[in-house]
Amino acid sequence: NAGVTQTPKFQVLKTGQSMTLQCAQDMNHEYMSWYRQDPGMGLRLIHYSVGAGITDQGEVPNGYNVSRSTTEDFPLRLLSAAPSQTSVYFCASRGVNQPQHFGDGTRLSIL
Amino acid sequence: AQSVAQPEDQVNVAEGNPLTVKCTYSVSGNPYLFWYVQYPNRGLQFLLKYITGDNLVKGSYGFEAEFNKSQTSFHLKKPSALVSDSALYFCAVRDSTYDKIIFGKGTRLHILP
Repeated sequence: NAGVTQTPKFQVLKTGQSMTLQCAQDMNHEYMSWYRQDPGMGLRLIHYSVGAGITDQGEVPNGYNVSRSTTEDFPLRLLSAAPSQTSVYFCASRGVNQPQHFGDGTRLSIL
Repeated sequence: AQSVAQPEDQVNVAEGNPLTVKCTYSVSGNPYLFWYVQYPNRGLQFLLKYITGDNLVKGSYGFEAEFNKSQTSFHLKKPSALVSDSALYFCAVRDSTYDKIIFGKGTRLHILP
């Protein structure tokens, strides 16, 4: 099984550009989440979803949009990239009362 | 609001000695608690969880954790450390009344040969 797949693995953007980070899981998990990891800050929750068509904000949602049109996919959109969004982004999925499975991350640099 | 704290940024332990990585939490409902490990340039890997039941939880790679409700703690332990245990460890909590999972800032564990 592929598990949680994130694309791209690396990306460099200029300030003001937009992009979408892709996340797909093949485990039929209801719950999916996006985190960002910054030095000294740990993992901070950006947005999460409890099923197709349902999303909610996490700890640091500003500057990011999400949608969940299918169970498998949970893309994260940066509408106008800012240097403060330079980070490593992780997508995770889980079943009910189960631990999360993480992707390998997307390393994003905003110049 | 739920929160989790890992009070130590780094823990150094000699190989063969017991190790403890500390975690405390705050939730309004019942806690679901997790420990994850991260190796360089990788995603997080699940080690163990507490949902309900025995306060001592056993997990992968010889790790265990003790749930203490009165102290709101969930410390990670291992009786004998290995150099290969060196990594970044994260504690996470989910409040049973909510669906989101919150992580601590992480503790870097160094096992010294």
